[in-house]
Amino acid sequence: NAGVTQTPKFQVLKTGQSMTLQCAQDMNHEYMSWYRQDPGMGLRLIHYSVGAGITDQGEVPNGYNVSRSTTEDFPLRLLSAAPSQTSVYFCASSHPGQFFYEQYFGPGTRLTVT
Amino acid sequence: AQSVTQLDSQVPVFEEAPVELRCNYSSSVSVYLFWYVQYPNQGLQLLLKYLSGSTLVKGINGFEAEFNKSQTSFHLRKPSVHISDTAEYFCAVSAPVIKAAGNKLTFGGGTRVLVKP
Repeated sequence: NAGVTQTPKFQVLKTGQSMTLQCAQDMNHEYMSWYRQDPGMGLRLIHYSVGAGITDQGEVPNGYNVSRSTTEDFPLRLLSAAPSQTSVYFCASSHPGQFFYEQYFGPGTRLTVT
Repeated sequence: AQSVTQLDSQVPVFEEAPVELRCNYSSSVSVYLFWYVQYPNQGLQLLLKYLSGSTLVKGINGFEAEFNKSQTSFHLRKPSVHISDTAEYFCAVSAPVIKAAGNKLTFGGGTRVLVKP
């Protein structure tokens, strides 16, 4: 298994540009989520999904959109990038069974908005 | 809602010395507790978790943590650190919910551990 994969690893955007951060997992996990990591603030939940076709907002959803058309993929869209969205983004997934509360994290995407 | 406070943002420690990373949480309901480790330029890896049962939890790489409900703490310890333990450590909590509501983690701000030779 590749686990949780994220692309790209690094990205530089200009203010106002749009882009999609990709996340995929091959573990048949129902639950997937997106976090952003900022210095001194730990990770904060942006959006999450409990299964294909179902998404909901986390703690810091503004400026981000998500969709979940398949179990494997959970892309995060920035419609109009702002410097405040400069961060490291992590995708995570977890198993629907007894290990539901263990989340597996991808390697992250480092985004800079100028 | 839950919140997590990691009391030390940085902890320098000499190789083979013990280390303790402090974590306190606030919640109006019972919580599950986790410690994650992030090595430089990598994602997060689960070190250990407390869901129920014994309050002393052992994890990978020789780490252990103790859940103290009365003090709402979940401190992480290792008796003898190695250079390879240099990383950032995150404490996190999750409230038990029905699975349809999702598994949301609330993280502390992180503690950077620098192991010196």
